[in-house]
Amino acid sequence: QKEVEQDPGPLSVPEGAIVSLNCTYSNSAFQYFMWYRQYSRKGPELLMYTYSSGNKEDGRFTAQVDKSSKYISLFIRDSQPSDSATYLCAMSANSGAGSYQLTFGKGTKLSVIP
Amino acid sequence: GAVVSQHPSRVICKSGTSVKIECRSLDFQATTMFWYRQFPKQSLMLMATSNEGSKATYEQGVEKDKFLINHASLTLSTLTVTSAHPEDSSFYICSARRTPFQETQYFGPGTRLLVL
Repeated sequence: QKEVEQDPGPLSVPEGAIVSLNCTYSNSAFQYFMWYRQYSRKGPELLMYTYSSGNKEDGRFTAQVDKSSKYISLFIRDSQPSDSATYLCAMSANSGAGSYQLTFGKGTKLSVIP
Repeated sequence: GAVVSQHPSRVICKSGTSVKIECRSLDFQATTMFWYRQFPKQSLMLMATSNEGSKATYEQGVEKDKFLINHASLTLSTLTVTSAHPEDSSFYICSARRTPFQETQYFGPGTRLLVL
């Protein structure tokens, strides 16, 4: 079993739809959870960062973490064509050496159709 | 804030040559930088962790003599692909953390390497 599982998609939605992206993980030591957005041929851009369980909202984006289920989600409201990108979940734990290496999901490719 | 740059953005070279890629944190000091490689339609694979002033830590399967990493200052890390071969063609991305205790990473725009 991989440490982080993410459906690669592709996922196509009409403009204005609510998008739900998810990741599951197996390592209970993960405490820090991030969502990155990566446009084609560009580096990942940090979208959301959450520590431990709970919800976090930033504009049209909401991140949810359920540590009991080892499940994290990213919701995008009122999706726009400019949201079309690959979304990567990432998570880390305190390795004891303070390195906090990130473990990434494979990424979900999202297309928002005008 | 938290801007990371990479240079060059794209490089084409002949097989057997060496290529140097620079990663700079523009508005913060990065004690730790990371180098990733990403193949088409794949996720990021960590190659090595670079700490300023010390030797890099390489992931299993990454040849340290082939991928030379230097982190000489708090704002600059370099990756040199020595004696590049076509199988080294990939998208190389660096990231940086502000301090040893910051959990998030900020990524550069990536460098696309094509070895002919």
